[in-house]
Amino acid sequence: EDKVVQSPLSLVVHEGDTVTLNCSYEVTNFRSLLWYKQEKKAPTFLFMLTSSGIEKKSGRLSSILDKKELSSILNITATQTGDSAIYLCADGGSNYKLTFGKGTLLTVNP
Amino acid sequence: DVKVTQSSRYLVKRTGEKVFLECVQDMDHENMFWYRQDPGLGLRLIYFSYDVKMKEKGDIPEGYSVSREKKERFSLILESASTNQTSMYLCASSLGRRPYGVQFFGPGTRLTVL
Repeated sequence: EDKVVQSPLSLVVHEGDTVTLNCSYEVTNFRSLLWYKQEKKAPTFLFMLTSSGIEKKSGRLSSILDKKELSSILNITATQTGDSAIYLCADGGSNYKLTFGKGTLLTVNP
Repeated sequence: DVKVTQSSRYLVKRTGEKVFLECVQDMDHENMFWYRQDPGLGLRLIYFSYDVKMKEKGDIPEGYSVSREKKERFSLILESASTNQTSMYLCASSLGRRPYGVQFFGPGTRLTVL
């Protein structure tokens, strides 16, 4: 059975810190890995990584896929209180479905 | 911008009631999904649909059914609500018959069953 594991489950940092969130996957027929940010309501899409696009960046957020290690990291530099959210990682390879990890709860204190 | 809307943000029902949760997307997406999200368990797929009148079971379909009569609308039905169905319900949609399409989510419905 495909599996996506995120770590840590929760993290508390101060504004200005840099954080690294981890996602490992054990899936057959890898096609893509997706990152979402969830604040109080709907998850919003951040990045999709595939074999042909293993690194993505948007502002202070960046993500890298390591196909050899079957993992991905999400980096956030110079964190702000608005970065406080649950960050979800998902495997996008299986028959229209996404398989989600349980998420990392990030709290950024002023 | 993709817009996925859900009929209610908050809903309170009694045990045994029939509950309808509605989801509408305005981007002509083929695929639609229903998830529930619970603390410590993450997002779990209940049902999905890749075409009108087509549906497939997800990981936790027991106690739920779905209906997709029109492409833009996907309904989740709780035939006889139970307290263990108290949860946040999220609808999503994605484009095309791609196995790795980005899913776009609605704002969620927080359902409480008393």
